[in-house]
Parts: sequence; structure tokens; C-alpha cells
Amino acid sequence: RKEVEQDPGPFNVPEGATVAFNCTYSNSASQSFFWYRQDCRKEPKLLMSVYSSGNEDGRFTAQLNRASQYISLLIRDSKLSDSATYLCVVILYNFNKFYFGSGTKLNVKP
Amino acid sequence: ETGVTQSPTHLIKTRGQQVTLRCSSQSGHNTVSWYQQALGQGPQFIFQYYREEENGRGNFPPRFSGLQFPNYSSELNVNALELDDSALYLCASSGWGDQETQYFGPGTRLLVL
Repeated sequence: RKEVEQDPGPFNVPEGATVAFNCTYSNSASQSFFWYRQDCRKEPKLLMSVYSSGNEDGRFTAQLNRASQYISLLIRDSKLSDSATYLCVVILYNFNKFYFGSGTKLNVKP
Repeated sequence: ETGVTQSPTHLIKTRGQQVTLRCSSQSGHNTVSWYQQALGQGPQFIFQYYREEENGRGNFPPRFSGLQFPNYSSELNVNALELDDSALYLCASSGWGDQETQYFGPGTRLLVL
């Protein structure tokens, strides 16, 4: 079983739509969580950390559900520029390991 | 731009050869992690270097090895290249007290024929 699993998509949404991605992780000892964004043929870039209480950064909201072992990313009022692949990251500190999901592709259409 | 640089940008090798990839971390960052990203997949953690020592390793065989230098730059060495080693190799740096926040370089695209 993979450490981190994401729906690969693609999610095709119109501009202005709200879209949500989930990411499940298998190891309950996982301690830190992040969302990264990766544009085609570019390197991943940090989008936001995910805190237990949930956190918001503009149109983006991230949440963590430790009981069900998943993290989520909500994007409101989608822009064309949001089109990218969104990668979740889980960090296992005991073994100092970083696990990326395979990514969810988002296409925002005019 | 993150300030993390990698060289070369592209590389073509043949099966069985050895390759060395290089990474310069962002100024002030003392930790470097290496990842392998196959087409259509997420990055896979290879290992991390901190203070010139390996500080964590993913599920990669010993033919993947690395170094970190006193200036915190790093090398990834891969011996006995296999076709499946063809991928984008990403380096990420992070700094004191915030090792989990990683800044990626543009990557090296390796093709093994």
C-alpha cells in the first residue's frame, strides 16, 4: 500500500468554481503535512502547510483529519492560473522521511 | 526563484553507466533532500543530507548515494544505471529550525538508453 494516495484527476472545472482535493495517508505516526503545486515541467512549489486546526490562505483552505488520516485542499473562486498539479506531502519524523502523493491535476476552463 | 540550482539540466546516459548530479542549496540552508520524479508520478524521496551526513533515506538501493559538502551543496551519484532510472531528479533545500519547508531546484532530466 502506498504511504500517500491522491485521486489523479483530472478535475476539469469552470472559472469561479469551488474544487476540493483529498489525500489519504497510511501511517498514523505522520507528523507534518503540506500541499505543493507543480506546473507542467516545473519544480514543485510550496502552497501551504496543513495545521490540525485547519488553515486558510486567501482562496485556499487546508484541513487535516487525523482520525480518518486524510488532508484536504479547498480552492474557492478558481482562476485559470490555478491550473496545475497539486501534490500532498506527509512527513514521518521518526524516520525522517518525506512522502509525496502522485498528484491531482486541476484544469480550470474559461 | 528559490535560489536552489541544479546541474546539468539534461543528461543522456546508457545503461550500466554512472552519473553525478549536483545541487547548490539556497543561501542559509543547511539541509538538502533528493527526489526522483518519474513521468506522471509524484516525487519519490531518495535521501536527505544534514551537516554532511545522510539523515534519512527512502526505498532506493545502495547504488544511489550522495554527498554533502561544507558549503551545504550536494551531489547525487547513481551507479549501474538502469532504464527505469530515467526521471526528473529534484533537489530541495531547507534551513535551520524549519527543515520541513523545502524549496526545490529546477531539476535534472536524466534519460537512460
